[in-house]
Amino acid sequence: KQEVTQIPAALSVPEGENLVLNCSFTDSAIYNLQWFRQDPGKGLTSLLLIQSSQREQTSGRLNASLDKSSGRSTLYIAASQPGDSATYLCAAVMSYSGAGSYQLTFGKGTKLSVIP
Amino acid sequence: KAGVTQTPRYLIKTRGQQVTLSCSPISGHRSVSWYQQTPGQGLQFLFEYFSETQRNKGNFPGRFSGRQFSNSRSEMNVSTLELGDSALYLCASRSGTVNTEAFFGQGTRLTVV
Repeated sequence: KQEVTQIPAALSVPEGENLVLNCSFTDSAIYNLQWFRQDPGKGLTSLLLIQSSQREQTSGRLNASLDKSSGRSTLYIAASQPGDSATYLCAAVMSYSGAGSYQLTFGKGTKLSVIP
Repeated sequence: KAGVTQTPRYLIKTRGQQVTLSCSPISGHRSVSWYQQTPGQGLQFLFEYFSETQRNKGNFPGRFSGRQFSNSRSEMNVSTLELGDSALYLCASRSGTVNTEAFFGQGTRLTVV
């Protein structure tokens, strides 16, 4: 069964700290991995997409890495701010029907609280 | 550029009723996927449509169905609602190929009483 796991479920850090969120997946034949942010009661905001051929992607204070051999991805947030408080979800595309379809398999997220 | 639009944002239905949710993808995107989010199960894949054809389906009962129109707008229908169908239903839009970014709408919060 294809699974995505995110540990820890919750994380609290003081403002200004650099932090790493972890994501692991069961299938090394991954097509891509995407990180999302979700604010309470809201939809998902895409942060970064990493293709299977890439090792990392950067956007502003965010850097995501992908290691297919170990089945891991990390999201690095530099100089955290209270506005970064949200739930962070990773989702992997690990199956491909051959008809151009795919499905995102989601982890259950890490709830991040940045304390002023 | 407009994002993914889901309507309505909130719904309250009674057990046994049916409901239809709507999703308008980003202009030019031909793929629409639906996900159910609950506190216990997290986000689970329902189905994906591309050019009016269902390309993939998750492990949900037949009460959950969908369709896509020629303008790429999609609807999801749930018949004979159960209390356990209460969830946030999210729609994702992407241009179509497997390695493109998925963009999500704000979701429809369905409460079944």
